Amino acid sequence: SQTIHQWPATLVQPVGSPLSLECTVEGTSNPNLYWYRQAAGRGLQLLFYSVGIGQISSEVPQNLSASRPQDRQFILSSKKLLLSDSGFYLCACLPTSAAYEQYFGPGTRLTVT
Amino acid sequence: DQQVKQNSPSLSVQEGRISILNCDYTNSMFDYFLWYKKYPAEGPTFLISISSIKDKNEDGRFTVFLNKSAKHLSLHIVPSQPGDSAVYFCAASGFSNAGNMLTFGGGTRLMVKP
Repeated sequence: SQTIHQWPATLVQPVGSPLSLECTVEGTSNPNLYWYRQAAGRGLQLLFYSVGIGQISSEVPQNLSASRPQDRQFILSSKKLLLSDSGFYLCACLPTSAAYEQYFGPGTRLTVT
Repeated sequence: DQQVKQNSPSLSVQEGRISILNCDYTNSMFDYFLWYKKYPAEGPTFLISISSIKDKNEDGRFTVFLNKSAKHLSLHIVPSQPGDSAVYFCAASGFSNAGNMLTFGGGTRLMVKP
């Protein structure tokens, strides 16, 4: 079964600073990978997804970007954080494109001050 | 436009009683539905799912009902336990050229009182 790692677990960053969140997956090959954000008291908003190395699709236009440099590595970045970027960021994995259940990592709590 | 809605942001239930969480969707192309459970500061964990060709799926204390004509699904937890206190998300799956994509509802916070 797959295991999803995310780091850091918690991050406090000032407005205007850069961001790099990392997600790595174990136990599966060539998964679909996803970045979601949960704002305070809100649902899960899909930010980016990737079906393979170097293939990124964006669901919401914003100052965030994503990259997939390796098969089981997914990175969420920003050059300049905004206050509105605060939230709980979740990486998820779909082991095969025919599957339905996505598996989530433990999340990163980002607070932009 | 929210395609998946959970209209009750919170629900409080006494231990041992039934918890019923509801979810409505608008897209008739959704063909699979899932419920996830989420504790604070943790990632959601998959709970139970149902295919659109079924109207009921049961797993222990958890049962999901699907009413396709009403575009409505519900999660029943019987009996409810304090450890069930969490946020529950329903999700609907539709096929895209990137495989099966999930659309999540806004979540319902369930509180089970001892």
